[in-house]
Amino acid sequence: QVTLKESGPGILQPSQTLSLTCTFSGFSLSTYGMGVGWIRQPSGKGLEWLANIWWDDDKYYNPSLKNRLTISKDTSNNQAFLKITNVDTADTATYYCARRGTTGIPTDYFDYWGQGVMVTVSS
Amino acid sequence: DIQMTQSPSLLSASVGDRVTLSCKASQNIYKYLNWYQQKLGEAPKLLIYYTNSLQTGIPSRFSGSGSGTDYTLTISSLQPEDVATYFCQQYNSWPTFGAGTKLELK
Repeated sequence: QVTLKESGPGILQPSQTLSLTCTFSGFSLSTYGMGVGWIRQPSGKGLEWLANIWWDDDKYYNPSLKNRLTISKDTSNNQAFLKITNVDTADTATYYCARRGTTGIPTDYFDYWGQGVMVTVSS
Repeated sequence: DIQMTQSPSLLSASVGDRVTLSCKASQNIYKYLNWYQQKLGEAPKLLIYYTNSLQTGIPSRFSGSGSGTDYTLTISSLQPEDVATYFCQQYNSWPTFGAGTKLELK
């Protein structure tokens, strides 16, 4: 059974760094083809993909946010991490981590999602 | 980046109706298109991948089609539990999502 769960600070101030953790089970990020992505959703709005990390430690970032994002993983503890520097109120959102899976080329999807963690940026 | 435009933004339909949701990409995405369902207060759930492949456990009343820039999610007979917001997502380039179609009961 695949599960993911996000954790984060809840609230932080503008200019601080947001650190998020995704703890997962039921799969391994050392398995060929596996990946974990981070996606966020401001309240009442749409979804925005932020970053992805793959089993081989390859990393991809949303170009519009790339200079503020760092994604990493701890394979032995089944965790993935995302840091966002210099946050402001526009970063207020629910942050999801999701397994990025495939049944082989050309499929590629987010097939399991965490419950999400709300992050508020406020002074 | 590739822009995804969903229409309509709000759709009201009756139980048993055949419902069609549209998603248009700003350029050819070669069928690299997924659909998700998000119920209020929940995380998105994968329904359809690679345009027309049904995810395991998803009812067969859901189907997807399309090619090029134009894609469709169809619910053959709307059920009360289908009330949700539906998002399309392309992966021909870095992933982008549509703004969603909110489906409600009439």
